[in-house]
Amino acid sequence: AQKITQTQPGMFVQEKEAVTLDCTYDTSDQSYGLFWYKQPSSGEMIFLIYQGSYDEQNATEGRYSLNFQKARKSANLVISASQLGDSAMYFCAMREGRSGYSTLTFGKGTMLLVSP
Amino acid sequence: GAVVSQHPSRVICKSGTSVKIECRSLDFQATTMFWYRQFPKQSLMLMATSNEGSKATYEQGVEKDKFLINHASLTLSTLTVTSAHPEDSSFYICSARLRSRVETQYFGPGTRLLVL
Repeated sequence: AQKITQTQPGMFVQEKEAVTLDCTYDTSDQSYGLFWYKQPSSGEMIFLIYQGSYDEQNATEGRYSLNFQKARKSANLVISASQLGDSAMYFCAMREGRSGYSTLTFGKGTMLLVSP
Repeated sequence: GAVVSQHPSRVICKSGTSVKIECRSLDFQATTMFWYRQFPKQSLMLMATSNEGSKATYEQGVEKDKFLINHASLTLSTLTVTSAHPEDSSFYICSARLRSRVETQYFGPGTRLLVL
């Protein structure tokens, strides 16, 4: 079974609208972390937001927020007020277990296109 | 802060030659660096985890004799693709984890390798 599932290969949104990118995960660990990264066409991976499994509040970073629903094992990324520069590939990733000793597993990604 | 560089950004080489890719953490000490491979329109696949001063841990299916990893200092890890073949052509990305903030990996800009 896939550990990280991103069911949306592509998403379209108009500038200034909000968009939600879906991510579900599968783990039996109690301690884990969830990440979202942005990869523009240049290829660099840009860290956006992090949510720990024990964090009670949803993470927010500027226009990015993570809708963390632990019981449903989902960690959707919400981008508010989309900008043209948000067009990129978005990857959800998970770290299982103790933070200092584990690696990241990535989903297959969602391509977001923001139109004027 | 947390800048990671990679060199070269792109390289073209002949089949049978070896190629070295450098990954540097510019403004922090990275106890752990990771090497990923990404094929076009696919997700990142972890190749190996590199800890300073010790042997790299390779993921299943990654040939350690073909992909040599050296992590000689807290700011430098190198990946050498030995006897490169066309099927080794890919996008190689490194990431580094801060000693003080193990939750987050910061990625380099990637290296595009084309083997002719």
